Amino acid sequence: NAGVMQNPRHLVRRRGQEARLRCSPMKGHSHVYWYRQLPEEGLKFMVYLQKENIIDESGMPKERFSAEFPKEGPSILRIQQVVRGDSAAYFCASSPGQGKKEAFFGQGTRLTVV
Amino acid sequence: AQSVSQHNHHVILSEAASLELGCNYSYGGTVNLFWYVQYPGQHLQLLLKYFSGDPLVKGIKGFEAEFIKSKFSFNLRKPSVQWSDTAEYFCAVILSGGYQKVTFGTGTKLQVIP
Repeated sequence: NAGVMQNPRHLVRRRGQEARLRCSPMKGHSHVYWYRQLPEEGLKFMVYLQKENIIDESGMPKERFSAEFPKEGPSILRIQQVVRGDSAAYFCASSPGQGKKEAFFGQGTRLTVV
Repeated sequence: AQSVSQHNHHVILSEAASLELGCNYSYGGTVNLFWYVQYPGQHLQLLLKYFSGDPLVKGIKGFEAEFIKSKFSFNLRKPSVQWSDTAEYFCAVILSGGYQKVTFGTGTKLQVIP
């Protein structure tokens, strides 16, 4: 059973470009969470999605950021018109949504905005 | 809202020294507690978790943590650290009654000197 898969592992974008980060949850998991880790800061919750639904986006910046988890395919975190301050590691986690409360994390995507 | 506090931001120890990292959470209900480790340049890995039962939890690599409900604490311990334990350690909480949104502490960077 493959773990949570994120790609790309490293992404470099120029200011103003779009960044698309992908997350494939573990098999059987229908819940996806995105976290951002800024340099010298902890992990901050961004958004929680179930298939085709955004459940909690309280941690998402109001502009330029969006997330989706379609019926088929991976979850996508999209950052439009990136700025230097978006440079961070973005981690995705998945959970089955039932049973014991635990989230499994992917290896992260390190976004660098130049 | 729930929150997690890690009091030590940066800890430096010599090899073979004992380790204790503090973690306190603020939430009056039932919680599930976790410690994650992030080695330099790598993703989050689960060290140990507490759901219920014996409040002394043993994890991987010789780590353990004790849940003290009256103190809202879940401190991480290791009797004798190694150079390879150099990493960042995150305490985390999931509310037992809610979905698996993980709230992290700000992390503690541990540096073990050979």
